[in-house]
Amino acid sequence: QVQLVQSGAEVKKPGASVNVSCKASGYTFTSYYMHWVRQAPGQGLEWMGVINPSGGSTTYAQKFQGRVAMTRDTSTSTVYMELSSLRSEDTAVYYCARVATGTYYFDYWGQGILVTVSS
Amino acid sequence: QSALTQPRSVSGSPGQSVTISCTGTSSDVGGYNYVSWYQQHPGKAPKLMIYDVSKRPSGVPDRFSGSKSGNTASLTISGLQAEDESDYYCCSYAGSYIRVFGGGTKLTVL
Repeated sequence: QVQLVQSGAEVKKPGASVNVSCKASGYTFTSYYMHWVRQAPGQGLEWMGVINPSGGSTTYAQKFQGRVAMTRDTSTSTVYMELSSLRSEDTAVYYCARVATGTYYFDYWGQGILVTVSS
Repeated sequence: QSALTQPRSVSGSPGQSVTISCTGTSSDVGGYNYVSWYQQHPGKAPKLMIYDVSKRPSGVPDRFSGSKSGNTASLTISGLQAEDESDYYCCSYAGSYIRVFGGGTKLTVL
């Protein structure tokens, strides 16, 4: 069965970076784009960007350009999202979510990772 | 890449129908038939309810339906049930792999 298993919760200080992971299983890793979506406490969903696991190409939301980097390791079917220069407003649950090639919707989501930014 | 506009809350009694709107622009909702809707219960990951404006994934009750007119998409839930009480988010493709979400709507079943 399809699973997207994300790494554990993180606590970071302002100005630091965080690197979170999303390990995929149960399907052909390179046939699905992986997106990252975050949700601040009590707020809505916010799209951050996408990586094509096949070639590694990325597209980021304008808001995060210069501060986010998405990478993948095809040998372990894992995607990574690094967010740098963290500030308190980055405190959120970060989800990975897959989209099949040629489709435009998120059919499976990871369980989410809480990243807390606090001094 | 501004967020799509959804009502903050809607409500209805069991058995009634409610509609949640999602307004964007010609660069997102109006430009593509790729609007999807997600249900999110507290502390849980979102769940796909509608894709490509009006298609239902297997397992989603046919009480859930979607439509679009111009720059506004809508999710209608008929025959409301207590378990439908949740947050609902629309999402649209906006070209060049970009996605944009709505601000979310809290559905209360009275």
